[in-house]
Amino acid sequence: QKEVEQNSGPLSVPEGAIASLNCTYSDRGSQSFFWYRQYSGKSPELIMSIYSNGDKEDGRFTAQLNKASQYVSLLIRDSQPSDSATYLCAVTYNNNDMRFGAGTRLTVKP
Amino acid sequence: KAGVTQTPRYLIKTRGQQVTLSCSPISGHRSVSWYQQTPGQGLQFLFEYFSETQRNKGNFPGRFSGRQFSNSRSEMNVSTLELGDSALYLCASSLTGDTQYFGPGTRLTVL
Repeated sequence: QKEVEQNSGPLSVPEGAIASLNCTYSDRGSQSFFWYRQYSGKSPELIMSIYSNGDKEDGRFTAQLNKASQYVSLLIRDSQPSDSATYLCAVTYNNNDMRFGAGTRLTVKP
Repeated sequence: KAGVTQTPRYLIKTRGQQVTLSCSPISGHRSVSWYQQTPGQGLQFLFEYFSETQRNKGNFPGRFSGRQFSNSRSEMNVSTLELGDSALYLCASSLTGDTQYFGPGTRLTVL
C-alpha cells in the first residue's frame, strides 16, 4: 500500500511566523514530490515540486526532501492570513501514479 | 495558455442514473488524471490517461470508467450512481504525467 501521511491539523500560527508542514511516504521507489495548496471550495494549485534531497526555495516557500527518512516538508516564512488553506502533499511512484496525503489545514491569525 | 477546463461545474443526479463528466487539458498536455475528493476520504486517484491509453488505475469499482480522445480531451463516466458517489471530481493535466495542474472540478450531488 502506497501511503502518504500528513498531520491533519489544524495548524495555527500567528501572522509573520514560520509555518512548518510535514509529510511522510511509505514507498522508497517514490520519484517526485509536490506541495499543493487548496482554498476552501477551490481546486488544488501547485506550490512547489522537489525531486532530489535537500532544500528548494521559491519566495517565502521552502520545500525540504529527505529520501533516506522518507520525509518531505514545506516551510512558509512570514506567514500571511492569505496563506490560510489546506496544504496537500503529493508523491508520484512508477508510471506517474500520484498519491495525495489527506492534507494539513493551516490557519494564519492576524 | 488557458488552464484545465471541466464541464459541467455542478450536477445533481438521482441514485441509479449515470453521469458523464468532461475535461479539456492545457494545450499540449497529453496526460489527464481524474480524482475524487470527499471530506472523509480526501483526494482519491481514479485513473490516468496518456495518448488515449489508460496508464494507471486507482482502487475504484468498475462503475467508474473513462476515456481519452485524440485531442487529449477526456471524459469520465459513472454508472448506477450511489449516494456515496457525491463528491468533487477533479481533473488534472500534465505534459508527461508528472507535474499536474488541476481544473476547477465538477461538484456531483447524488440524491
